[in-house]
This record gives sequence, structure tokens and C-alpha cells, in this order.
Amino acid sequence: EVQLVESGGGLVQPGGSLRLSCAASGFTFSSYWMSWVRQAPGKGLEWVANIKQDGSEKYYVDSVKGRFTISRDNAKNSLYLQMNNLRAEDTALYYCARDLLLRPYQSDYWGQGTLVTASS
Amino acid sequence: QSALTQPASVSGSPGQSITISCTGTSSDVGASNYVSWYQQHPGKAPKLMIYDVSNRPSGVSDRFSGSRSGNTASLTISGLQTEDGADYYCSSYSRSSTPVVFGGGTKLTVL
Repeated sequence: EVQLVESGGGLVQPGGSLRLSCAASGFTFSSYWMSWVRQAPGKGLEWVANIKQDGSEKYYVDSVKGRFTISRDNAKNSLYLQMNNLRAEDTALYYCARDLLLRPYQSDYWGQGTLVTASS
Repeated sequence: QSALTQPASVSGSPGQSITISCTGTSSDVGASNYVSWYQQHPGKAPKLMIYDVSNRPSGVSDRFSGSRSGNTASLTISGLQTEDGADYYCSSYSRSSTPVVFGGGTKLTVL
């Protein structure tokens, strides 16, 4: 059974940093593109970033470029999102998602999310 | 403002069919086969319903179908059931600086 479990969310002051983690199991992690997608309270989905199987390609939404870094550790079956210089508008539930095999940009499994709140 | 435009809400009665539209541009929906649809119930994670414009993942009911005409993708749900009531989001690969764009979401109410 495919499982994605996010952790690392919490309350942080604007300008602060957080590192989100996603533990994957039930599939060959190193074979898939992986993504982070967020959802602000009461709002719609927003794609944040994705990363190729070997970490050689990474893409970001414009609003987080230069502040967020996606990475992965295939030996640990884990996905990460380092978030620096957080802003109030980054407040959201952050989902880890597995992209379809050989089809990045479309996610077939999602975790339950971890909540990030940037507020003073 | 979302990159892809969806109606805020649609409604239908059990047994009826409804269609949700998703309008983009020639840089996203009109140019990519990576168009997908997600269903999200309150408090739950999104679920992939359609990928590659019109393909259904294993386990998704054949009452759900996807199509595209020009820059507009559509999700059709036939034989509406009460459990279909949820939020639906379209997404597409985009040739812009942000490679994935979502629609603003459509709330489906099954009356």
C-alpha cells in the first residue's frame, strides 16, 4: 500500500524557516517524480514544487523561487521542502504527492498534509 | 486569481449528469496532454480522477470522464450520486515559468 506521511509543519514567525519531510512507503520511491502542493485555509490547491527521480531537475512556483528548496533522499525514501523567509501568504496545508509514473505534473497519491502557519 | 478558470459551483440531482469546465490558454490546457482532474472531500486529501485529459486511474468509476476542446477541458459525471458531492480541481502542465497550474476549484452539490 502506497503511503505518504508528511511532518515538520508548525507555527513560525514571518521571516522564519521550516523543513517539511515526507516519508514514503509501499512503492519504489526512486522511480517517481515527487511534488509538494499546498492549500491555504478555505482556498484552492496550489502546486509548489517538484523533483525528478534522481534530484537532477527541480521546478518551483514563481512565488517561492529563491526561498524554498525541494530535495529528496532515495536511500531514506524521503522528500523534503526547506522553506526560508516564510511569509504570511505561505500559510497552508502542505501535501506531499507522488506523480504518475513517467508522467510528472499529475499526482496519483497524496499524503494527509502538514499545516504551516506563518504568523506573529 | 487562478491560472485556469472553473465555475465556482455546479449542482445536480441524483442520476443526472453534470459537466465542469476548465478554461486555460494555448500555453497550458490547449497545448498539453497532462491535464488532470482531482476530487476533494472536506478535510480529505485530493484524489486523482482523470489524467492525460481523458484517462481514468484504476478504481475510479466509469461515470467520470474527461475531454478537451481547444483551450477548455471538461469533466463530466454521469449518474450523479450523493457521494460525488465534493470540490473538483483541474490542473495542467504549463509552458509558463510555473510548470503546473490549477483551477480555482468547483463545488459540486448533489441535491
